Formats: sequence, C-alpha cells, structure tokens
Amino acid sequence: AQRVTQPEKLLSVFKGAPVELKCNYSYSGSPELFWYVQYSRQRLQLLLRHISRESIKGFTADLNKGETSFHLKKPFAQEEDSAMYYCALFTSGTYKYIFGTGTRLKVLA
Amino acid sequence: EPEVTQTPSHQVTQMGQEVILRCVPISNHLYFYWYRQILGQKVEFLVSFYNNEISEKSEIFDDQFSVERPDGSNFTLKIRSTKLEDSAMYFCASISGGENTEAFFGQGTRLTVV
Repeated sequence: AQRVTQPEKLLSVFKGAPVELKCNYSYSGSPELFWYVQYSRQRLQLLLRHISRESIKGFTADLNKGETSFHLKKPFAQEEDSAMYYCALFTSGTYKYIFGTGTRLKVLA
Repeated sequence: EPEVTQTPSHQVTQMGQEVILRCVPISNHLYFYWYRQILGQKVEFLVSFYNNEISEKSEIFDDQFSVERPDGSNFTLKIRSTKLEDSAMYFCASISGGENTEAFFGQGTRLTVV
C-alpha cells in the first residue's frame, strides 16, 4: 500500500532550536518525495523535493530508502517557519500525490 | 508568476443541493487534480484528470462527484447532492507534466454544507 506517515501533529520549538519533522513512507516503486508547506492563510506550496537535494529556507531533507524516511530538518528554527508542513509521495505510475497528515510547526519566541 | 485560481473562496449550500467548484489551472499544464481536506484532517486525493478524461479516482469520488474541463481552461468539480460530510476545503492542483512533477495548488474553496 502507498502511504505517508507523519507521526507528529504538532511540534513546538523555541526560536534558534533545531527542528526535525518526521516522515515515513510506504511505496513499492521508486519513490519521489516532497515537502509542501502551508503558511497561515496561504496556499500549499512546494518547499523542497528529494531529487534536487537543495536547501530551501535553511531546510534540508534526505531520502533514506533503507529506513523509508524523508525527515525535514533545520538547524536553527525561525518564527517565520511556523506553518503546516506536509510530506508527500509522488507516484509516477499513477501520476499523483499522496500526502501525509501534516505537522504543524510552531516556533516560539 | 502563473497561479492556479479557484472560485468561490467560500461556498455555503444546503444539504441535497448541487455545487460546482471552479478552478483555472496554469495554462500549459497537462495534469489536473482535486483534493479535499476535512477540518483537522489530512489532504485527501479525490481525482486526477489527464487528456480530457479521469485517470484515477479515489473511493471518496463516488457517483455524486463529477469533473469537467468544459472549455480548455476551467476545471470544475461538481457535487450533485451535497451531504453534511462533504463540508471541507477543496483544493485544485495542476502539474505541467514530464520531468517537472511539482504540483501548483489553488488557494482552495471552503465548502460548508448546512
């Protein structure tokens, strides 16, 4: 079965603290993983994708096929990082996204 | 920058009424989607549309739901006879196709069935 799991509904950290938002997936094919973010009152937008292996807004995520994980990390959280974060699996066979349940990140001053 | 636009932003309807949610995807995109998000729950796939036909639909997308691309620009989701449990945020998304699989989302339509 194709599934994306984000175990934390809410993650609260203090400004300047490290952040790790967990994501695990289940997919028999070759996975294409993404993180989407939704800031307050804004639309869902792409944060980063595993293929590009880039850092966006200080966030990075490494695809670990052995652990079937794609955790999102940032060494020093900022208040403007507060948002809803969704891990998503793109299935190339059916050409669609499967989303995790999302994690709300709150960065406290 | 091109955007996916959805109208209306909020729709209130009585149970049993038909609603049509509208989306204008990005013009050169080939793949179109509807997702929904019930308050406090995850973003759920409803249907994907490619080459003027449904390519996949979820079990949520029953006979009460239909999609159309009537004029090459609009992409609509119709709910024939709304139920209370259809109350949700509905998101339209489009993907250009090929190697670029980034999905561009609309701002959503909040549907409230009373």
